[in-house]
Amino acid sequence: KAGVTQTPRYLIKTRGQQVTLSCSPISGHRSVSWYQQTPGQGLQFLFEYFSETQRNKGNFPGRFSGRQFSNSRSEMNVSTLELGDSALYLCASSLTEGRGHNEQFFGPGTRLTVL
Amino acid sequence: SQKIEQNSEALNIQEGKTATLTCNYTNYSPAYLQWYRQDPGRGPVFLLLIRENEKEKRKERLKVTFDTTLKQSLFHITASQPADSATYLCAPFFDAGNMLTFGGGTRLMVKP
Repeated sequence: KAGVTQTPRYLIKTRGQQVTLSCSPISGHRSVSWYQQTPGQGLQFLFEYFSETQRNKGNFPGRFSGRQFSNSRSEMNVSTLELGDSALYLCASSLTEGRGHNEQFFGPGTRLTVL
Repeated sequence: SQKIEQNSEALNIQEGKTATLTCNYTNYSPAYLQWYRQDPGRGPVFLLLIRENEKEKRKERLKVTFDTTLKQSLFHITASQPADSATYLCAPFFDAGNMLTFGGGTRLMVKP
């Protein structure tokens, strides 16, 4: 079974631009969560989607948004990029909703650099 | 707010020894606590999950303990190998807020 895939793997943008990252979960998984990982803040939860609905959201500004499609694929968007948005963005999928008791399967991440 | 503390300093041990990593949390007790392994440039990989009513969980050379009184989980790797070198993340799940919160991770270096 193929794992979680994320595209692109690397991205360089400049301040003020916007970016869209894509995540394809493991086949049959319906829950997708997004995380931001930086050396200073560690792994921080952005949001979780299940059945095309956002179920939970972390403490990030409204510039960070996402969506999930009927095939469970998900995208996240960051508008008006800031230098501090440089990070590794990780997507994780699980079979059902609820990240507490479900094993999270992470993708390799998208490394975003904002210049 | 909840704080998850893992030793930010790297843990260096000799091959064959037992590695013990600590995860401390404040305030509320998590309903579940997960442990992940992360290698450089890769996403975390799930290792073990322990529930709040479980004291201990084992999987091959791995063992996790959960002490809700001390607000602490310990992660043990017995007979450690150089291939075990990685960063290990604990992730308690708190029902309040429905959040899976990751600790900063502890880097483990196993020397041959």
